[in-house]
Amino acid sequence: RKEVEQDPGPFNVPEGATVAFNCTYSNSASQSFFWYRQDCRKEPKLLMSVYSSGNEDGRFTAQLNRASQYISLLIRDSKLSDSATYLCVVPERTGTASKLTFGTGTRLQVTL
Amino acid sequence: ETGVTQTPRHLVMGMTNKKSLKCEQHLGHNAMYWYKQSAKKPLELMFVYNFKEQTENNSVPSRFSPECPNSSHLFLHLHTLQPEDSALYLCASSLLQGTYNSPLHFGNGTRLTVT
Repeated sequence: RKEVEQDPGPFNVPEGATVAFNCTYSNSASQSFFWYRQDCRKEPKLLMSVYSSGNEDGRFTAQLNRASQYISLLIRDSKLSDSATYLCVVPERTGTASKLTFGTGTRLQVTL
Repeated sequence: ETGVTQTPRHLVMGMTNKKSLKCEQHLGHNAMYWYKQSAKKPLELMFVYNFKEQTENNSVPSRFSPECPNSSHLFLHLHTLQPEDSALYLCASSLLQGTYNSPLHFGNGTRLTVT
């Protein structure tokens, strides 16, 4: 299994729809996770952190399933401005430091 | 407005040129990073500096040479690059390295083309 795996998409959804992405990870010792958003030709920006079972911020909900080793991101009431690539990030401890492993990202395209 | 500033935004260089990428962060962070992003590949960690000390070199070829004079500034010196080094180079910083609640803040990147 890849360290961090995401469906590249694209996910094409109409405005107002609910869409969910999954991200699987291989290191069972990982304890917290991040979702980043990256717009075309721009830098990634932090969307949400996930430390326990989940986190909710407005229309965005992140959930963690430790038993199955996956994280999900749910977007409700999609807006055109949600169109972007969503990157799953898993910190993994290596000795005294931590290393962040990025997924390839899932591309979302919200249409009228 | 980003707290992490990278220059230049775009760079075209020949294989025999020497150039440097610059990164500056105004967030009071102690860890700084260089990442490489190529098309259809995940971000690849290149180097990490924690309190000005290099803590990670992710098997990066010696034609890439980082420099971290202080916690706010990070450079990537480029020499004798190959066309396959063309990519988006992203600088990032975090409050600390090695803590789970210390996410990365990215600069807007330098898009490098090697001809």
